[in-house]
Amino acid sequence: DIQMTQSPSSLSAFEGDRVTITCRASQDIGNNLAWFQQKPGKAPKSLIYAASNLQSGVPSKFSGSGSGTDFTLTISSLQPEDFTTYYCLQYLTYPFTFGPGTKVDI
Amino acid sequence: EVQLVESGGGLVQPGGSLRLSCAASGFSFSDHHVDWVRQAPGKGLEWVGRIRTKARGDTTEYVASVKGRFTVSREDSKNSVFLQMSSLETEDTAVYYCTSAAPGNVFHLWGQGTLVTVSS
Repeated sequence: DIQMTQSPSSLSAFEGDRVTITCRASQDIGNNLAWFQQKPGKAPKSLIYAASNLQSGVPSKFSGSGSGTDFTLTISSLQPEDFTTYYCLQYLTYPFTFGPGTKVDI
Repeated sequence: EVQLVESGGGLVQPGGSLRLSCAASGFSFSDHHVDWVRQAPGKGLEWVGRIRTKARGDTTEYVASVKGRFTVSREDSKNSVFLQMSSLETEDTAVYYCTSAAPGNVFHLWGQGTLVTVSS
């Protein structure tokens, strides 16, 4: 199975900060990577697919980049609603696998 | 409104069975692959399984921990997908989400989740 790691596991930031979360795959997954935001008690929300494609309706402050094994999610200016948990997912090979998550605290 | 709605969760004893449903509204499920993802209490997300479209043979894939115990099926006439779970274990306790996307996209739409608790 492809192992996904995320760094950092948690971070603290101020409103207005630019933050970057890294996701690394244990083998080359091309651009078959998605990013999700999950708020407590809610379903995940899709932000990015194919490593850098923004889902419709998602603000442009979110951006994704990378290919192969190393990927990043950047939030350009943190707003109060952005302080929550983010997950990456590889969907190249079954079983699809999620990263362990990154919690963004205020 | 485009949405997915799961149902069928509840409390079940170890070794028991449960059938979850995922109903789509506002769009046709027939050209969507559908995945199930679960989240144990206080834990991260885990992909459980997928059913492809009828055009791709309604074929399925599963994570190893549920293979042989869980079965995903679909009834496009009812715009629904099902997750039949048997030989349930306490480790299967989780919120179960269904998720789908139009061709070319992935994991775009999510249901609200349904809680499955396996306990004696």
